[in-house]
Amino acid sequence: DAKTTQPPSMDCAEGRAANLPCNHSTISGNEYVYWYRQIHSQGPQYIIHGLKNNETNEMASLIITEDRKSSTLILPHATLRDTAVYYCIVRSAHSGGGADGLTFGKGTHLIIQP
Amino acid sequence: EAQVTQNPRYLITVTGKKLTVTCSQNMNHEYMSWYRQDPGLGLRQIYYSMNVEVTDKGDVPEGYKVSRKEKRNFPLILESPSPNQTSLYFCASSLYDRQETQYFGPGTRLLVL
Repeated sequence: DAKTTQPPSMDCAEGRAANLPCNHSTISGNEYVYWYRQIHSQGPQYIIHGLKNNETNEMASLIITEDRKSSTLILPHATLRDTAVYYCIVRSAHSGGGADGLTFGKGTHLIIQP
Repeated sequence: EAQVTQNPRYLITVTGKKLTVTCSQNMNHEYMSWYRQDPGLGLRQIYYSMNVEVTDKGDVPEGYKVSRKEKRNFPLILESPSPNQTSLYFCASSLYDRQETQYFGPGTRLLVL
């Protein structure tokens, strides 16, 4: 699975859109971009994923650049409950064998300010 | 409600005393997995199971055992716990395999004295 780079922390005002960037310049053609988040010591929570096209669901939007080397997760109206560590993960559909787990890097600690 | 449950949520034990952490999912998922999370090391996979009676090692399997006798349950067994197994443990499940969205349990915080 390709490596990702995220800023360690970000602040956002409550009610504003939070835009979280992720760089994945070594992504290959069959790898998806996934976003999970983890609210302090709780189990990670799936947010959204995509391959090429932009995606939107009830939680967020995912914008993937045309060359697929970076993406942005958008929380359209951030609330205090969105304060969490957000993980961008690049993952292929098929295992290369051996350990199979999700690889969470350090993520971005998003702090929503009142 | 679709969920992954773990028990116990908190456990303090002593070195060498066998323990089991249970994991159960009600979504009829085939794939289940155990992770541990430690400060600065992120989540690391311990074991996973592609289906009933099919289990395999993750990145850090030493000191752990698992079993998958039923689809819904995937217990994690520490035969002889040691202090370096003090950690936050998460169980996860997904419909089929690695390409599917994974759903995580609430976590089990274990302290081995």
